[in-house]
Amino acid sequence: GAGVSQSPSNKVTEKGKDVELRCDPISGHTALYWYRQSLGQGLEFLIYFQGNSAPDKSGLPSDRFSAERTGGSVSTLTIQRTQQEDSAVYLCASSKGSNEKLFFGSGTQLSVL
Amino acid sequence: GENVEQHPSTLSVQEGDSAVIKCTYSDSASNYFPWYKQELGKGPQLIIDIRSNVGEKKDQRIAVTLNKTAKHFSLHITETQPEDSAVYFCAALYSGTYKYIFGTGTRLKVLA
Repeated sequence: GAGVSQSPSNKVTEKGKDVELRCDPISGHTALYWYRQSLGQGLEFLIYFQGNSAPDKSGLPSDRFSAERTGGSVSTLTIQRTQQEDSAVYLCASSKGSNEKLFFGSGTQLSVL
Repeated sequence: GENVEQHPSTLSVQEGDSAVIKCTYSDSASNYFPWYKQELGKGPQLIIDIRSNVGEKKDQRIAVTLNKTAKHFSLHITETQPEDSAVYFCAALYSGTYKYIFGTGTRLKVLA
């Protein structure tokens, strides 16, 4: 079946603009994660959704970052008033549940000029 | 808190040689250890994983070993090929939680 789908694959924006990044998890996967990967760095946890439970937002770096997951499927990560330090690859991943294999999308490369 | 250290950060091997990447975790309750391969411009792809009730797992040229006492696990790639060149990440999942802690990655270069 289809894997985790992210869009857009690339996004170039100007400093101060808002951006929305989309993630379509694998069908039937109840857990969804967002990670940030800066150039040459590891994976930084941002937020976790599991079913209808309250999300774990503990990794969001500032209040300019928010995410939602509608209907337990598609998720959108929103960054308001983007800054140059927000430039990174934003990765989405999903799994059947906690303690299950994690599958990643190809990511969105965000460049803030 | 939970931490995963990964070594080396870069590794160059001749085609046909073996490559070994090592990770150490801090939380003794961690019970699931996946390895991911990330090629340029792509997301991490799960290549092999191991749970804490086994010591070794193999899949063709790839194997993972786990030493729970020492809290470390390793990825072994034999008969390396140029297409093995990528960044490899280890991770540990803390038992009963959903939080994956990732290593900082190893850039593997296989020289033809």
